[in-house]
Amino acid sequence: GAVVSQHPSWVICKSGTSVKIECRSLDFQATTMFWYRQFPKQSLMLMATSNEGSKATYEQGVEKDKFLINHASLTLSTLTVTSAHPEDSSFYICSASVAASGNTIYFGEGSWLTVV
Amino acid sequence: QKEVEQDPGPLSVPEGAIVSLNCTYSNSAFQYFMWYRQYSRKGPELLMYTYSSGNKEDGRFTAQVDKSSKYISLFIRDSQPSDSATYLCAPYFGNEKLTFGTGTRLTIIP
Repeated sequence: GAVVSQHPSWVICKSGTSVKIECRSLDFQATTMFWYRQFPKQSLMLMATSNEGSKATYEQGVEKDKFLINHASLTLSTLTVTSAHPEDSSFYICSASVAASGNTIYFGEGSWLTVV
Repeated sequence: QKEVEQDPGPLSVPEGAIVSLNCTYSNSAFQYFMWYRQYSRKGPELLMYTYSSGNKEDGRFTAQVDKSSKYISLFIRDSQPSDSATYLCAPYFGNEKLTFGTGTRLTIIP
């Protein structure tokens, strides 16, 4: 299947700082990417849909100014958690839609964020 | 009513048993039915998917869709300890975001 790579796999940051997570499609172009958040033993919660070259569409209840999403190219989307707080500690996962295979969605390995 | 309902488990079965994982959904417009497997602390991995009603087999895994009853199933034959994971069903329109079930935590006991 298609490969979606996330970096970093895990990150620890101090409260009040910002942290950026990258999501890359390695062997295909991803017009649409999705960002999820997952708390322990819970299902994935969609945060936003990211389309290349345009503003992201955020789900209800997700703060746009806190979770900045940029999809500058067909192979890269970034999620920046601004002014991070301990309650932002979570597992963040991106996924990408592969148009060539009927818009099948593949996921990255995820990024663990711990805010101390 | 939730769009997708999935028994969260946990489900524990002995090695070699047949496992049945099930979901129901409410929107009859869904066309694709995806199954993802998620190991602890990892991103979901696409296991298989079917389009519309019917069965699809891939090795020890069989996905089944009954659109008339809005019921989807995943069967695992000859279950192995490596199958221990959370299984997520995700009905899909084919051009937008996925709608996930809560996931079923499965443990295969050696």
